[in-house]
Amino acid sequence: GAGVSQSPSNKVTEKGKDVELRCDPISGHTALYWYRQRLGQGLEFLIYFQGNSAPDKSGLPSDRFSAERTGESVSTLTIQRTQQEDSAVYLCASSLVVSEYGYTFGSGTRLTVV
Amino acid sequence: GQSLEQPSEVTAVEGAIVQINCTYQTSGFYGLSWYQQHDGGAPTFLSYNALDGLEETGRFSSFLSRSDSYGYLLLQELQMKDSASYFCAVRGGNTNAGKSTFGDGTTLTVKP
Repeated sequence: GAGVSQSPSNKVTEKGKDVELRCDPISGHTALYWYRQRLGQGLEFLIYFQGNSAPDKSGLPSDRFSAERTGESVSTLTIQRTQQEDSAVYLCASSLVVSEYGYTFGSGTRLTVV
Repeated sequence: GQSLEQPSEVTAVEGAIVQINCTYQTSGFYGLSWYQQHDGGAPTFLSYNALDGLEETGRFSSFLSRSDSYGYLLLQELQMKDSASYFCAVRGGNTNAGKSTFGDGTTLTVKP
């Protein structure tokens, strides 16, 4: 695709429910990244993929968070038993290779847990 | 670990020059990046410095001093559309090449 696509753009869920956030990177980009951005704050690293493998999962806040990538393409970030503190914008980015200087970000999924 | 500091807000007038500073502490360093983010929008990549010195891209320039763990973004001939948040980010060392740590961002307001 022409850019990084994320869906849904907005998600309101009840506390305790599970949610899945999807990211479609730019075609051919081998590296994919997930970040979280709380209101008025910087971007918090969650996880990155090189191909379908995740060399660094150190940013995942708890075992309620998981992510996978298939076909060196689409990635899904899953949050189980959502809590109010999970409310944030979840941003996905991709780059041609991990060593590429800059990332191309998607517009994010705004998650609100009520 | 890694941490970055940048001013929370900067205000300047149209046509002026503004400098946004970034200092960092890191256990491994691969490079310093800058991103721009308009309200409600996606961050967009502006520049990257892996070596000391100045990199120029149109109206924007970025500088890095690795010995001082310091960098800055210089915006010249400011325009109203430059009003946005600007983030510096440090990419980790070889074992963390895919992890970038971001600062909390600097909100730039350009006034007429």
